[in-house]
Amino acid sequence: EVQLVESGGGLVKPGGSLRLSCAASGFTFSSYSMNWVRQAPGKGLEWVSSISSSSSYIYYADSVKGRLTISRDNAKNSLYLQMNSLRAEDTAVYYCARVSTYYDFLTGHTVHYMDVWGKGTTVTVSS
Amino acid sequence: SSELTQDPAVSVALGQTVRVTCQGDSLRTYYASWYQQKPGQAPVLVFYGKSNRPSGIPDRFSGSSSGNTASLTITGAQAEDEADYYCNSRDSSGNHLVFGGGTKLTVL
Repeated sequence: EVQLVESGGGLVKPGGSLRLSCAASGFTFSSYSMNWVRQAPGKGLEWVSSISSSSSYIYYADSVKGRLTISRDNAKNSLYLQMNSLRAEDTAVYYCARVSTYYDFLTGHTVHYMDVWGKGTTVTVSS
Repeated sequence: SSELTQDPAVSVALGQTVRVTCQGDSLRTYYASWYQQKPGQAPVLVFYGKSNRPSGIPDRFSGSSSGNTASLTITGAQAEDEADYYCNSRDSSGNHLVFGGGTKLTVL
């Protein structure tokens, strides 16, 4: 069964740090790019960060750049999110998601979509 | 612009057809993907690209795109389709992702 399981969430004080993990199983983890997506309480989905299959390409939302760091260990089938200098506005459920792609010949673009999601882990930043 | 705009809420009578729309400049270049999220659950992919529906998603879900607007259509809405729906695409740089604000679908 294809599965993603997040862990590492919890309560942390403003300015603190936390490391989230996402364990992948049931597919060849090293072949896929991965995303972190978060959802603040009562709010919509927000893309946080992306990492390519070999870690060659990494992107961050402006709201987290310089504070959050995405990484992966393909040997351990794991994705990580190191969260530093946390703020109250980082309070959210954090989901990891697998990115699948196909090439669209009509547009000449590679189409990306998130076809597998974990159940999420909750991060609360509060004093 | 890197924003995607959705109507906050839409309602549909049971068995009728509803269209959920998503507008943004980047949709002129990139296809959208659509996600369904029920309360307390993770999002689920329901449609992506020009005409792709994941396995296990009912064929009453379909998608389309024209100009700066992507649409998700549910033909014959069921009670279990009541959920929040989010569109997602790339921004103008092509490297960052952006979600629409979400549409809460109510099935009456």
